[in-house]
Amino acid sequence: EDQVTQSPEALRLQEGESSSLNCSYTVSGLRGLFWYRQDPGKGPEFLFTLYSAGEEKEKERLKATLTKKESFLHITAPKPEDSATYLCAVSGGGSEKLVFGKGTKLTVNP
Amino acid sequence: SAVISQKPSRDICQRGTSLTIQCQVDSQVTMMFWYRQQPGQSLTLIATANQGSEATYESGFVIDKFPISRPNLTFSTLTVSNMSPEDSSIYLCSVDLGPDQETQYFGPGTRLLVL
Repeated sequence: EDQVTQSPEALRLQEGESSSLNCSYTVSGLRGLFWYRQDPGKGPEFLFTLYSAGEEKEKERLKATLTKKESFLHITAPKPEDSATYLCAVSGGGSEKLVFGKGTKLTVNP
Repeated sequence: SAVISQKPSRDICQRGTSLTIQCQVDSQVTMMFWYRQQPGQSLTLIATANQGSEATYESGFVIDKFPISRPNLTFSTLTVSNMSPEDSSIYLCSVDLGPDQETQYFGPGTRLLVL
């Protein structure tokens, strides 16, 4: 059974304080690993898809990396507007079904 | 990407009643999905809704409780039947835009509170 575990559950940073969020996964035949951002009262917003170990993708202050067992979302010099819950999901085994972790709630204080 | 809307955005319902949630997409899509997001829990897939066929339900979800319609390639409904307080949750629809797109895109969600 596919599983996704995210850590930490919550993270508080000062503005400009870089850090990383972790997503550990087990999946049969990885099709893709996905990162989403979710603001309160809204649906998840797509950030990245990673397909194979060693792949990296960047968007503004965010950089996602992938190994065979985990993914990291690195946040460089975060700003208060980066505050949100970050969700990690995987799909595998030829299915489009997404299996999500519980998310990491990030708070960036000014 | 796609523009996805859901109705209602939120509702408060009495136990024992049913609520139908609508999901509208601005383009034709083959695959639509319905998820539930309970407080403190991960998004959980309820079912996959393909146009022209019956929905495929995940383990723990049944058609009698969560009937789904998919009358065309831009629209789907999810009904939460005979509701109890345990059904209080956020319900989200998502779409898969096909093999050329990278992932599923989500609607804004419907916040349901059952009293």
